[in-house]
Amino acid sequence: DAKTTQPTSMDCAEGRAANLPCNHSTISGNEYVYWYRQIHSQGPQYIIHGLKNNETNEMASLIITEDRKSSTLILPHATLRDTAVYYCIVRVGGGTSYGKLTFGQGTILTVHP
Amino acid sequence: KAGVTQTPRYLIKTRGQQVTLSCSPISGHRSVSWYQQTPGQGLQFLFEYFSETQRNKGNFPGRFSGRQFSNSRSEMNVSTLELGDSALYLCASSLKAGQGGNEQFFGPGTRLTVL
Repeated sequence: DAKTTQPTSMDCAEGRAANLPCNHSTISGNEYVYWYRQIHSQGPQYIIHGLKNNETNEMASLIITEDRKSSTLILPHATLRDTAVYYCIVRVGGGTSYGKLTFGQGTILTVHP
Repeated sequence: KAGVTQTPRYLIKTRGQQVTLSCSPISGHRSVSWYQQTPGQGLQFLFEYFSETQRNKGNFPGRFSGRQFSNSRSEMNVSTLELGDSALYLCASSLKAGQGGNEQFFGPGTRLTVL
């Protein structure tokens, strides 16, 4: 699976949009971009995923660049409860990577009042 | 729909003992994956089961094993516990195995402490 690079930490003011970047310059054509977050001592929570097109759901938006070498997770109106570690993961849909998510260190997002 | 459940939530064992952790996936999900999370190594993949078969395995010693039952429930076992096995053990379920765009849903984890 392709390696990802994320900033170690970011801050955001409550009510503002949080934009979390991720670089995955070695991504292959059949690899998906996934985002998960983990609030302290809880299990990771799935947020969103995409292959080529931008995606939006009730939690967030995922913007993938045209060359697919980077992406941005957008939390449109951050709240204090969005404070968590955010993981960007690139994963092949099948083959030998069955079920395997490779987590990096992630980005610690802190939302301030 | 109920989420992924893991039992027990907390466990204390001593070195040399063995432990069995249980995971019940979301109803209808057939794939179960296990992860270990420690402060030093972060989240690491242990193994994945689908239709009672192990499909993928991470880089862990043979003391770590698992199985899946016909109702998709899964157990993992750690034998001859070591202090370094103290960790949060997470289970995740997904609808299918190895499918593109197939998200995994995690349980709350079992916190294992080895004394």
